[in-house]
Amino acid sequence: DGGITQSPKYLFRKEGQNVTLSCEQNLNHDAMYWYRQDPGQGLRLIYYSQIVNDFQKGDIAEGYSVSREKKESFPLTVTSAQKNPTAFYLCASSSSGGGYTFGSGTRLTVV
Amino acid sequence: AQSVTQLGSHVSVSEGALVLLRCNYSSSVPPYLFWYVQYPNQGLQLLLKYTTGATLVKGINGFEAEFKKSETSFHLTKPSAHMSDAAEYFCAVRRRDSNYQLIWGAGTKLIIKP
Repeated sequence: DGGITQSPKYLFRKEGQNVTLSCEQNLNHDAMYWYRQDPGQGLRLIYYSQIVNDFQKGDIAEGYSVSREKKESFPLTVTSAQKNPTAFYLCASSSSGGGYTFGSGTRLTVV
Repeated sequence: AQSVTQLGSHVSVSEGALVLLRCNYSSSVPPYLFWYVQYPNQGLQLLLKYTTGATLVKGINGFEAEFKKSETSFHLTKPSAHMSDAAEYFCAVRRRDSNYQLIWGAGTKLIIKP
């Protein structure tokens, strides 16, 4: 079945550490997105990519980095520069004109 | 700038009662509109979408929404609430200048009272 897979489901980060969240899709979608979700704050866009080897900053890109070397993959790195990374992270993909398909999310906690 | 407004961060209804979740958008051209549902600790799932054609759109789990251009609204309804409908619901509109990006409402948490 086609879908979008995020891993891991839970992730713990120590202070000053970089961590990478994985997102893979087999829907042949052109575009992929990363959102951050905090309680009561809805969805906030971190980065998005509409084509391989190209990506754009969203509303809250500081402290995050991404790559899009393959159409299927859009990993997100949470760097040590992100001072408050504890949140629920959602990856999504879409085709042109279509709705989004979401992964099941990664919950990141700073320990 | 385009925007999506969901009225009420929390809506509480009794089991068996009508569910009405409100969504208004700002757009000068016919938009693509979406409703998504999110259960706790899960990703979002598409409930229904409006692109063109019939203004009453039926979705999964007995939900439907009506596009009303004159009111710039796309309210989500379900005739009879079930306990399993308790979740957060998000309305979204496609950005006018993009074939891909959506603009999201802040979400409405639906609470079902037994």
